[in-house]
Amino acid sequence: GQSLEQPSEVTAVEGAIVQINCTYQTSGFYGLSWYQQHDGGAPTFLSYNALDGLEETGRFSSFLSRSDSYGYLLLQELQMKDSASYFCASHASGGSYIPTFGRGTSLIVHP
Amino acid sequence: NAGVTQTPKFQVLKTGQSMTLQCAQDMNHEYMSWYRQDPGMGLRLIHYSVGAGITDQGEVPNGYNVSRSTTEDFPLRLLSAAPSQTSVYFCASSESRDRTYEQYFGPGTRLTVT
Repeated sequence: GQSLEQPSEVTAVEGAIVQINCTYQTSGFYGLSWYQQHDGGAPTFLSYNALDGLEETGRFSSFLSRSDSYGYLLLQELQMKDSASYFCASHASGGSYIPTFGRGTSLIVHP
Repeated sequence: NAGVTQTPKFQVLKTGQSMTLQCAQDMNHEYMSWYRQDPGMGLRLIHYSVGAGITDQGEVPNGYNVSRSTTEDFPLRLLSAAPSQTSVYFCASSESRDRTYEQYFGPGTRLTVT
């Protein structure tokens, strides 16, 4: 089976740095993805980690530690438009690699 | 490319009615999946397909049927709608050659069962 835990809500101010954590229990773990979803919209892909370490994409970075079954999404230089829900999703080997999603973290960015 | 399209955008059903949610993609992706999203529950996998003619159950398959007769289309059928199926439904597609396994989501169908 698969399960993921992430905080339900995180708040921060514009210009700050915020980290959204995700712990997972996934049989046959293959990789961890992150998705962003604005209210009323569809989820959109942010990043994918298959190996330990940090992956950087602009203001967003994602980290994975396979030994700790843990990852995080780091958002730097926060902007108001970053207010959204963020989902971690784990991929398991077995043929399909269709991800299992966590319950999501609502990020609220204040001026 | 239109990407992943879903119809209808909104739907209201009465308990016991049946209907089909349509999903199509024009990216020639092998994998397609259906998720439902409820407040505080994240995205839960209903059914998925790894290619035409091949489907499998996800986490919450009861009350739903799927088929995949072509690469492009992956309809989701509600057999006898129940209020517990009130939700937002997202269809997604991906391809095996993409080593990030990025899921491309449609805009969603907002379903209310009364």
